[in-house]
Amino acid sequence: QVRLVQSAGEVKRPGASVKVSCKTSGYPFAEYGMSWVRQAPGQGLEWMAWISVYSGNTNFAQKFRGRVTLTSDRSTSTVYMELTDLTSDDTGLYFCAREESRDFWRGSTLDSWGQGSLVTVAP
Amino acid sequence: QSVLTQPPSASGTPGQSVSISCSGSSSNIGGNYVSWFQQLPGAAPKLIIFRNSQWPSGVPDRFSGFKSGTSASLTISGLRSEDEATYYCATWDGSLSGRVFGGGTKLAVL
Repeated sequence: QVRLVQSAGEVKRPGASVKVSCKTSGYPFAEYGMSWVRQAPGQGLEWMAWISVYSGNTNFAQKFRGRVTLTSDRSTSTVYMELTDLTSDDTGLYFCAREESRDFWRGSTLDSWGQGSLVTVAP
Repeated sequence: QSVLTQPPSASGTPGQSVSISCSGSSSNIGGNYVSWFQQLPGAAPKLIIFRNSQWPSGVPDRFSGFKSGTSASLTISGLRSEDEATYYCATWDGSLSGRVFGGGTKLAVL
């Protein structure tokens, strides 16, 4: 079955960067895209960015452009999300979520989710 | 402030039906498919409705979705205690060039 297993939580200092991994299994890796969604403590869901594993093309929410980098590794079926210049506002749970579409398509949905990685930003 | 507007809370008793609304605009719901996600306490979100009204495999048909114009709704019939969760609508917003979520509706089964 489809599995998305994320890296463990991390504690970072303001100004640092964090890189979260999402290791996949149970499906052809390059045939599906991947999005990242953030959830601040006690808050709702916020879409951050999307990568087409097939083409490497990316699409970012305006708020995160310039601070987020998405990459993928076909040899390990893993997608990575790096967020730079961290502030306390970046504290939250970060989810990877599989896009049903291989390439960018506005009609796509998020059909499988990782368990979430807690990133805490504190001095 | 979310681009998509949902009521913050809803409630019902076991066996009842409850509907959750999601209001948007022509740049998002009006021109794109709507999905619904269920997030149980302490868990990751789970897709329960996509393309406005379709069910993923394994999701019971007690959950139904509907879209009309710039609004969508999720109806849960035959309410059960295990339906107690937060529900989010989501769609694409052409003006923002990004996916947007509603603020979430916390459902209580009394």
